[in-house]
Amino acid sequence: SQTIHQWPATLVQPVGSPLSLECTVEGTSNPNLYWYRQAAGRGLQLLFYSIGIDQISSEVPQNLSASRPQDRQFILSSKKLLLSDSGFYLCACGGLPLNEQFFGPGTRLTVL
Amino acid sequence: AQKITQTQPGMFVQEKEAVTLDCTYDTSDPSYGLFWYKQPSSGEMIFLIYQGSYDQQNATEGRYSLNFQKARKSANLVISASQLGDSAMYFCAMREPGNQFYFGTGTSLTVIP
Repeated sequence: SQTIHQWPATLVQPVGSPLSLECTVEGTSNPNLYWYRQAAGRGLQLLFYSIGIDQISSEVPQNLSASRPQDRQFILSSKKLLLSDSGFYLCACGGLPLNEQFFGPGTRLTVL
Repeated sequence: AQKITQTQPGMFVQEKEAVTLDCTYDTSDPSYGLFWYKQPSSGEMIFLIYQGSYDQQNATEGRYSLNFQKARKSANLVISASQLGDSAMYFCAMREPGNQFYFGTGTSLTVIP
């Protein structure tokens, strides 16, 4: 079964600073990968998903971007963070055969 | 329109009792999947149960069962014999073709000893 790693676990960044969150997956190849954001006390919002290297679909217009330089690496970035970017960021991998979402431990981002 | 609706922000249940968490969904596609996840205070998301749109029987996984009413577009989660460790947020989700997922806003369940 797959294992999903995310880092950092927590991050406090000033407004206007850049962001890079990393997600790596073990135990599977060519997975579907997803980035979600969960605002405090709310559900999950799908930000990006990827079906392969350099194949990224964006769900919500925003100042975030995603990249997939390797099969099992998915990166979430921003050039300038906004206060509204604060939240809990979860990386997920689609399982087989249901494509049920297996989630990483998450990164808690606070923008001050 | 919301793809997934969970109308119960918070629920309370007595330990050892059963509880039903509501979920309705909206899709025009005949092929879809429905999922329930548990999120404890630690933040991890735990997959609980799955129901496919073509499945004839309601899904069951241990103390979890899914009351699937296709005509009503509802997929309620039933937790039997509640335990203190069941206290958590519960999210309903739907997968449409194209592997896009939609999550509800969640229901906070508190099990009372």
